[in-house]
Amino acid sequence: AQTVTQSQPEMSVQEAETVTLSCTYDTSESDYYLFWYKQPPSRQMILVIRQEAYKQQNATENRFSVNFQKAAKSFSLKISDSQLGDAAMYFCAYRSALYGNKLVFGAGTILRVKS
Amino acid sequence: ETGVTQTPRHLVMGMTNKKSLKCEQHLGHNAMYWYKQSAKKPLELMFVYSLEERVENNSVPSRFSPECPNSSHLFLHLHTLQPEDSALYLCASSQAQGAHEGEHEQFFGPGTRLTVL
Repeated sequence: AQTVTQSQPEMSVQEAETVTLSCTYDTSESDYYLFWYKQPPSRQMILVIRQEAYKQQNATENRFSVNFQKAAKSFSLKISDSQLGDAAMYFCAYRSALYGNKLVFGAGTILRVKS
Repeated sequence: ETGVTQTPRHLVMGMTNKKSLKCEQHLGHNAMYWYKQSAKKPLELMFVYSLEERVENNSVPSRFSPECPNSSHLFLHLHTLQPEDSALYLCASSQAQGAHEGEHEQFFGPGTRLTVL
């Protein structure tokens, strides 16, 4: 069974600075998808960024980028120019490309942004 | 808003009560999901419905009973719950079909905060 580990329960960053959230996963599959979801306080969870395992190029969405290291099974999220609105719980998630619709989530990292 | 709504947003119930959580999606999706989110724990997938058929049931106690009458609606019927069932219950939806099903993003509702006394 796949597992996802987020080793940082909480992180803090100064506004306008850069922060990196860590995620590692365990799988025996070669084809899969990785996601970062953001859950602001009392608001809906939304997708931040997605990475296909077959792509070598790291995904980027505006200020959000990932460092995908397939051999190391590592998938970190970098937030550049942090804004107050980035404060949220961030979840890393894994999904098999071939088997079922199941998302496997990590325990989450609370990101606090200081002004 | 992501196009997935859940009602009620908050629910307090006693252990002997029967209540239902409702989820509705307006995105034209054909797969729907129930997750349980407890403090400091990963989201736990409870049930998956694909094309209105239950395709996954992750060893969830029978006091939780899902129902999917059509592709837009999903219910979670609750009865004789325990205090440890207190959590945020999230509904999600996605497209279920495709050569690479993993491409299809799951859209989440705001959740129902359940407290069992």
